[in-house]
Amino acid sequence: QITLKESGPTLVKPTQTLTVTCTFSGFSLSTSGEGVGWIRQPPGKALEWLILIYWNDDQRYSPSLRSRLTITKDTSKNQVVLTMINMDPVDTATYYCAHRRVDWTYGHDAYDMWGQGTMVTVSS
Amino acid sequence: QSVLTQAPSASGTPGQRVTISCSGSSSNIGSNAVNWYQQLPGTAPKLLIYSNNQRPSGVPDRFSGSKSGTSASLAVSGLQSEDEADYYCAAWDGSLSGYVFGTGTKVTVL
Repeated sequence: QITLKESGPTLVKPTQTLTVTCTFSGFSLSTSGEGVGWIRQPPGKALEWLILIYWNDDQRYSPSLRSRLTITKDTSKNQVVLTMINMDPVDTATYYCAHRRVDWTYGHDAYDMWGQGTMVTVSS
Repeated sequence: QSVLTQAPSASGTPGQRVTISCSGSSSNIGSNAVNWYQQLPGTAPKLLIYSNNQRPSGVPDRFSGSKSGTSASLAVSGLQSEDEADYYCAAWDGSLSGYVFGTGTKVTVL
């Protein structure tokens, strides 16, 4: 059974750096084909995909946020860490991590398990 | 900001069939698989349909997905009160090299 849980600050000041951690179980990010992504959702708005890391450290980024995002994994701890620099009030959102469904076919990405999300408010 | 377009809302009475559409382009829906997510109020999204028309284990067969060209659809038959939720389509976009979500459709059960 795959589970994921996000943790991090609830409040961040403008220009600061956000660091949120995804702790998961039920799979290993050292196993071929595995991946974990981050998706966010501003209050009352649509989902927005941010970033994805694969078991082999390959990464995919949202083009519009690429310069601000960093993702790392710690396979020994079963954790993935998202870092976003230069936070702005428009970055206020619930941040979700999710397990990428294992599929070797290009363009068949899907997220089959999600964490509960962590709400981050950006305000001075 | 979303490159996949959905109608903001849809509704139906219990037992009816509701269809939600998702419009994209050749770089996303036109060349990659479409997924659908259901987001119940106050909860995280849940994968409802993957690879255009496949249901994960546990998803009722009342939910079905289809794709034609650069558009996709999610159909909910035998609408139930617990189907009241936001529904999002999503797909990989080869031009953006990123995963894109639709604008979302809120389904109301009258």
